[in-house]
Amino acid sequence: EDQVTQSPEALRLQEGESSSLNCSYTVSGLRGLFWYRQDPGKGPEFLFTLYSAGEEKEKERLKATLTKKESFLHITAPKPEDSATYLCAVQEGNTPLVFGKGTRLSVIA
Amino acid sequence: DAGVIQSPRHEVTEMGQEVTLRCKPISGHDYLFWYRQTMMRGLELLIYFNNNVPIDDSGMPEDRFSAKMPNASFSTLKIQPSEPRDSAVYFCASRKTGTGLEKLFFGSGTQLSVL
Repeated sequence: EDQVTQSPEALRLQEGESSSLNCSYTVSGLRGLFWYRQDPGKGPEFLFTLYSAGEEKEKERLKATLTKKESFLHITAPKPEDSATYLCAVQEGNTPLVFGKGTRLSVIA
Repeated sequence: DAGVIQSPRHEVTEMGQEVTLRCKPISGHDYLFWYRQTMMRGLELLIYFNNNVPIDDSGMPEDRFSAKMPNASFSTLKIQPSEPRDSAVYFCASRKTGTGLEKLFFGSGTQLSVL
């Protein structure tokens, strides 16, 4: 069973059409949940870290939230430059990150 | 800072050949990670080092894969012999203790194609 499951696999939005990406996890001792952005041909780039249920982080049009079983990445009024793959990762205890397979977001002008 | 530097960016080789991927972490970072990314399996951890010492290589798929870190500024991932199923993008990442939990800095990756 995958420890981290992201949905949907792919999402196509019109510019300005807000939506949310989901990341559910099954680890018991969550130390942190991480969101990364990956552009084609590049490595993942760090966005946020969330540590406890109820925590929220914001950056421009992105807001990440965390519950005890899942995290959401809300995208408000997206622009074409927000098109990328968004990766979620969890850390259990002192172990390295475990990544989900990502959500490929396309924002159409 | 130049970031994590990987070479080559692209590698095309034939089955059975030896492949060596290279990584230069960010100066001052004490952790180095090797990941492999495919559409089917996503981003998988292969091995990681702390202060040049391998800590966990349980993600290395089989004995054909080996990794070394002879000093703080250089690491290699070697596949010998290579097989078509090794085709993937291989990422190196580094981080520094105390800069925040697992804020990894990734290189741009090596796209490996084994024919």
